[in-house]
Amino acid sequence: TQLLEQSPQFLSIQEGENLTVYCNSSSVFSSLQWYRQEPGEGPVLLVTVVTGGEVKKLKRLTFQFGDARKDSSLHITAAQPGDTGLYLCAGAAYSGAGSYQLTFGKGTKLSVIP
Amino acid sequence: KAGVTQTPRYLIKTRGQQVTLSCSPISGHRSVSWYQQTPGQGLQFLFEYFSETQRNKGNFPGRFSGRQFSNSRSEMNVSTLELGDSALYLCASSLRGGEKLFFGSGTQLSVL
Repeated sequence: TQLLEQSPQFLSIQEGENLTVYCNSSSVFSSLQWYRQEPGEGPVLLVTVVTGGEVKKLKRLTFQFGDARKDSSLHITAAQPGDTGLYLCAGAAYSGAGSYQLTFGKGTKLSVIP
Repeated sequence: KAGVTQTPRYLIKTRGQQVTLSCSPISGHRSVSWYQQTPGQGLQFLFEYFSETQRNKGNFPGRFSGRQFSNSRSEMNVSTLELGDSALYLCASSLRGGEKLFFGSGTQLSVL
């Protein structure tokens, strides 16, 4: 069974601060995805990282995939209240028949205080 | 382009009853996956359907079942409900499965 550990579980910061969320596993994944979920809604995909060592930037968000493709991090610069939500990482592994199955971490609940 | 639609949004049932949840994927998407989300366990994979066939299955008891119709719409059924089945049930669609997932808003099921 592939497991993804996310840390921290909860994070409460002031507007303008920086933060990093971690996603770790002992398994190798074909790709790793990051989602954000707001209360009462389903998760929304932010980014997919595929290559070991890959870094992707999405405005103030920076995503990195570990060299061994087992871990990832999400860094937010100058957090804003609109960044509040549950951040989920998900590792994709080939499950046969042309399909990839996603394993989700339990998430990091971020609160950005104005 | 319409998103993933799940109905109903909220359900209250009692132990022992059964429930059916519905999911309409994005037009053109052939893969539909179902997840159970609880505060303690996070998102757990239930099953995936592709072209009316169950392609992958998670570690849930047989009380949880699903199906997919020729128009890619999917339903999941939970029989003999237990208190522990209270959760947010999320449906996600994708073109082929496992790549970019588009989630619905979920069905919040409460079992009393």
